[in-house]
Amino acid sequence: AQSVTQLDSQVPVFEEAPVELRCNYSSSVSVYLFWYVQYPNQGLQLLLKYLSGSTLVKGINGFEAEFNKSQTSFHLRKPSVHISDTAEYFCAVSETGSQGNLIFGKGTKLSVKP
Amino acid sequence: NAGVTQTPKFQVLKTGQSMTLQCAQDMNHEYMSWYRQDPGMGLRLIHYSVGAGITDQGEVPNGYNVSRSTTEDFPLRLLSAAPSQTSVYFCASSYSAEGQPQHFGDGTRLSIL
Repeated sequence: AQSVTQLDSQVPVFEEAPVELRCNYSSSVSVYLFWYVQYPNQGLQLLLKYLSGSTLVKGINGFEAEFNKSQTSFHLRKPSVHISDTAEYFCAVSETGSQGNLIFGKGTKLSVKP
Repeated sequence: NAGVTQTPKFQVLKTGQSMTLQCAQDMNHEYMSWYRQDPGMGLRLIHYSVGAGITDQGEVPNGYNVSRSTTEDFPLRLLSAAPSQTSVYFCASSYSAEGQPQHFGDGTRLSIL
């Protein structure tokens, strides 16, 4: 069965430090992969997506992610975080043939400290 | 464009009451869906629709009904509210079903007493 695991529920980091938010998935078919960000009391905003092609994907706000098929991972990275990056981040997977339905991880709360 | 609009933003119900959460999109998206978000659980799919007149169940459909009479609207009905349905509900839409990122509304925060 399809599932998504976000390995860290909370990640504290200092401003201007690099950060990696980890995401692993399980699936027996090809997948589409997404990272969303949720600021307090708001909806989800797409950060980036992997549909096919290059395994390194760049998104908004300086974030990037790398799809690793052999390790079934899609980790999110940013080389230097800002206070404004404090939010909850969700990894989501959609299997081919699933009619676009998303399976979400449980989220990682990124807290950027000055 | 307004994107995905959800109403109301907040609602308090008593156990056993019914209500409809409204969702409308103005992007001519074929695919629409409803999720619920609970602390520490991520988002879970309740129902979805791949076009007008077509709906199907997601992971947690019990206690909810949907219909899709137009492309723009996808209301979610709670038939008899229960405290376990206290949650934040998000509506989302995308241009087509497969491989397309979904656009989310701002959510409806629902409390069942």
